Amino acid sequence: RKEVEQDPGPFNVPEGATVAFNCTYSNSASQSFFWYRQDCRKEPKLLMSVYSSGNEDGRFTAQLNRASQYISLLIRDSKLSDSATYLCAVNRDSNYQLIWGAGTKLIIKP
Amino acid sequence: GAVVSQHPSRVICKSGTSVKIECRSLDFQATTMFWYRQFPKQSLMLMATSNEGSKATYEQGVEKDKFLINHASLTLSTLTVTSAHPEDSSFYICSAREFLMGDTQYFGPGTRLTVL
Repeated sequence: RKEVEQDPGPFNVPEGATVAFNCTYSNSASQSFFWYRQDCRKEPKLLMSVYSSGNEDGRFTAQLNRASQYISLLIRDSKLSDSATYLCAVNRDSNYQLIWGAGTKLIIKP
Repeated sequence: GAVVSQHPSRVICKSGTSVKIECRSLDFQATTMFWYRQFPKQSLMLMATSNEGSKATYEQGVEKDKFLINHASLTLSTLTVTSAHPEDSSFYICSAREFLMGDTQYFGPGTRLTVL
């Protein structure tokens, strides 16, 4: 089993719809969780950290489920510009390293 | 805030040459910098972790003599790909974190290396 797993997609979603995807992790001791967005041939950019209580930033909501060891990302009212690959990252024990999922590709269609 | 630059953005070189990539944190002191490699349609692969003033810690399977990392100051880390070969062609991305940032990493724009 991979340490961090994501459905690679692609998720094809009409503009304006709500889309959600999950990321599972294997290390129950993990404490830090992140969602990053990566556009084609660009670097990852931090979308949001994921807190125990869940957090929301505009149309984006992130949740953490420790019991089932997954984090989720919900995007409401999706825009064409939301098309990207969404990477989740979970901290490793040592040296502030992050373990990365392979990413979920999202395509928003007009 | 939290801006990381990387230079060059693109490099094409002949097989056997060495290539140096610079990674700079512009508005914060990067206590830790990370070097990743990403092949097309694949995820980020961590190559090494470097703390300022210390030797880099390489991931399993990454040759430290081939990928030389120097993190001499709190704002600069360099990766030198020595004797590059076509299979080294990839997208190399650095990231950095500051002491107060916890585990959050901010990425440079990446360097696309093509070895002919």
